Amino acid sequence: EIVLTQSPGTLSLSPGERATLSCRASQSVSSIYLVWYQQKPGQAPRLLIYDASSRAAGVPDRFSGSGSGRDFTLTISRLEPEDFAVYYCQQYGSSPPTFTFGQGTKLEIK
Amino acid sequence: EVQLVESGGGLVKPGGSLRLSCAASGFMFSSYSMHWVRQAPGKGLEWVSSISSSSSFRYYADSVKGRFTISRDNAKNSLYLQMNSLRAEDTAVYYCARGRFGELSSSLEYWGQGILVSVSS
Repeated sequence: EIVLTQSPGTLSLSPGERATLSCRASQSVSSIYLVWYQQKPGQAPRLLIYDASSRAAGVPDRFSGSGSGRDFTLTISRLEPEDFAVYYCQQYGSSPPTFTFGQGTKLEIK
Repeated sequence: EVQLVESGGGLVKPGGSLRLSCAASGFMFSSYSMHWVRQAPGKGLEWVSSISSSSSFRYYADSVKGRFTISRDNAKNSLYLQMNSLRAEDTAVYYCARGRFGELSSSLEYWGQGILVSVSS
């Protein structure tokens, strides 16, 4: 079973700054199976990035994903007030089909 | 517009049962695998179960295997989760979700608003 570890647990930044969130897998993950979500309080998760680096429909281009193998990164180039939320990475296991989530990174306003 | 609306949650005693429903609209329900994901209060996301478009394949997290049953009715555009032998650790908001594309999608693009299940005596 692949375990995803996200770091840091909490990231305190100011609007306008750049955010870099990390997701490390316990073993190599195919890039096409690495996904990022954003979740705000009281809301369902929102798909941000799929296939490690492809933005979902409607996602602003300040969000970008990168990485391969065991290490993946979500970058927010210039933080907007609405970007402060919890971010989860997720890995898809194809045999059998399962979804494994990281524990989340809380991005808070400094 | 894709919509997923969960119902059937509530308070149940340990050992009890509950059946969640998810009403889908705005897409061809019968062409998509569907999924349940839960989130315990103040905790992260946990995948619970998935079902293929024709109900041929069903998958479960180890934590619910043997206690929960996923099903669907394509004629009614509905997804279900029968939860038996409920435990306190099953307390969570349960989300119904749809993948980005029909079958074997690795990402969950659409989510319901979630429904709270509380297991307590």
